[in-house]
Amino acid sequence: EPEVTQTPSHQVTQMGQEVILRCVPISNHLYFYWYRQILGQKVEFLVSFYNNEISEKSEIFDDQFSVERPDGSNFTLKIRSTKLEDSAMYFCATTQQGAFTEAFFGQGTRLTVV
Amino acid sequence: KNQVEQSPQSLIILEGKNCTLQCNYTVSPFSNLRWYKQDTGRGPVSLTIMTFSENTKSNGRYTATLDADTKQSSLHITASQLSDSASYICVVSAGNNRKLIWGLGTSLAVNP
Repeated sequence: EPEVTQTPSHQVTQMGQEVILRCVPISNHLYFYWYRQILGQKVEFLVSFYNNEISEKSEIFDDQFSVERPDGSNFTLKIRSTKLEDSAMYFCATTQQGAFTEAFFGQGTRLTVV
Repeated sequence: KNQVEQSPQSLIILEGKNCTLQCNYTVSPFSNLRWYKQDTGRGPVSLTIMTFSENTKSNGRYTATLDADTKQSSLHITASQLSDSASYICVVSAGNNRKLIWGLGTSLAVNP
């Protein structure tokens, strides 16, 4: 069964450092998303990406965040200068046709900022 | 404000028993409602997706109901198994938005 793959599974970084979280979407999926989940809290939408551009972003997704598809396969989330409050699980999700179809989630990257 | 509320917050049941989880939402315009299962430290896995016109949808031992008039949904789990222990999250998609509005989830523990 096709799956969304995320790397690394766990990343520890010092406050102020840049991190890049990577996702390999399911091959025929066209819409990509990043979500985060702070421990004990709801899953929060960060950004959606379609046709090589951001289609929607939340208020969380400020100038410290960016997304891209550098090589047509990987989908990355970059946090330029991490803060302690960025510590969370980050999930990549993909859908074939957008918000009206099933979303497949990766296993997540646990980011710990120290 | 678009919100999804779930109850109970946590639930403990014995293996083999049935249970029902509740979801109330205030999302407009409504597009679809999903139930996800999330094991601890893992990504959510889709159980069902229901549109406005669907009242009931089953996926094995999971049966979801939707009442679009009262804006309520339930997830019924039949003959629970130890592997059902997880968080069950209700998620609503609003209109043409590509973002999903998440509930906090119900943490289910199935004990032997």
